[in-house]
Amino acid sequence: SQQGEEDPQALSIQEGENATMNCSYKTSINNLQWYRQNSGRGLVHLILIRSNEREKHSGRLRVTLDTSKKSSSLLITASRAADTASYFCATDDSGGGADGLTFGKGTHLIIQP
Amino acid sequence: GAVVSQHPSWVICKSGTSVKIECRSLDFQATTMFWYRQFPKQSLMLMATSNEGSKATYEQGVEKDKFLINHASLTLSTLTVTSAHPEDSSFYICSVRSYEQYFGPGTRLTVT
Repeated sequence: SQQGEEDPQALSIQEGENATMNCSYKTSINNLQWYRQNSGRGLVHLILIRSNEREKHSGRLRVTLDTSKKSSSLLITASRAADTASYFCATDDSGGGADGLTFGKGTHLIIQP
Repeated sequence: GAVVSQHPSWVICKSGTSVKIECRSLDFQATTMFWYRQFPKQSLMLMATSNEGSKATYEQGVEKDKFLINHASLTLSTLTVTSAHPEDSSFYICSVRSYEQYFGPGTRLTVT
């Protein structure tokens, strides 16, 4: 079932600015993952944050997780035109590894040069 | 990580025909594979879990007789869309799971 809700639904910013996307979920999770998808293409895994972690960095990406609020945020710093894409959060709410991921509705990010 | 391929990349078929999509795990033996569907401008929705050597488990609202899944080996799962209709036009993505989930590149199905 779809439980992740991202906001905003769409975001347009100038190149060089920071972009922040938020994700909320409903159930207990094992981990939360962020993916990028360029139009009509496959998914690119960006970062995974475990339920016992609060913050994680990868290059220009910073992800936070607040399990008490059941929310996560993805920050992209110093945005580039190539960052234009849709971004999805996905929760893994299993402990046994037998379930698929539950995806949020996504945020469409547009970086204006 | 696991490398996952899908075949074909895209397919156009006529309404009423059946289409088979293959998902291969190239370097990982997957007892479980997952099939997702993504309609235009929407998110991915899990359709079914493919289990090697046994029946697939389908998510609520997904017709098992329409979307036939076969997982005959540890490296191959197939999804057959039977009697396809235009509303089945979508992007179908498979994945395998080790520590993380690894996704295939997707198959775009257009039913005319």
